Amino acid sequence: DAMVIQNPRYQVTQFGKPVTLSCSQTLNHNVMYWYQQKSSQAPKLLFHYYDKDFNNEADTPDNFQSRRPNTSFCFLDIRSPGLGDAAMYLCATRRQYSTDTQYFGPGTRLTVL
Amino acid sequence: QKEVEQNSGPLSVPEGAIASLNCTYSDRVSQSFFWYRQYSGKSPELIMSIYSNGDKEDGRFTAQLNKASQYVSLLIRDSQPSDSATYLCAVNDRDSSYKLIFGSGTRLLVRP
Repeated sequence: DAMVIQNPRYQVTQFGKPVTLSCSQTLNHNVMYWYQQKSSQAPKLLFHYYDKDFNNEADTPDNFQSRRPNTSFCFLDIRSPGLGDAAMYLCATRRQYSTDTQYFGPGTRLTVL
Repeated sequence: QKEVEQNSGPLSVPEGAIASLNCTYSDRVSQSFFWYRQYSGKSPELIMSIYSNGDKEDGRFTAQLNKASQYVSLLIRDSQPSDSATYLCAVNDRDSSYKLIFGSGTRLLVRP
């Protein structure tokens, strides 16, 4: 029944070692999002896709990249993780309209050693 | 700078009481408003959405919207210890219908 799936749920990486987080959805939603959330803070939008159209937030570091090869899947690549990138990474989807619900996946907790 | 403001709390209420969570937003023309609940270490889950002025009730939860005053609130009746969580207010960004602007959340603690 899971609608938005994220893998892995926990990821440990070393400083500077590239890491890829994945997200898949069974909802056939047009929009997919990646958020970064640190303790006691609001989710921070990194980027989103409307279908294949990529939209990067102005303050998202170049270290973060994303791919959406098809409607169902979206990936977050962190090219050279720093200690400050340790956070929960949340994938979310939304059908299309402003009144549509945005559904979150369970998140991936990233630890950087 | 569009903003969504929430008191960080913690808001502490006894079991069975009404918990009142408030949120103000800066963009006067915002149209869609959402309340998410987030347990510690988990992802946000939608509790309520509201789009027009007034009250919207769903079980123990009531969302209230006042566009003139630019605030939205969430009432939780008969609060239970399982309601203890952080509640995030989110407002649709009018410049991008796909984006939500989140507040930093109010932590609610329901004492048994």
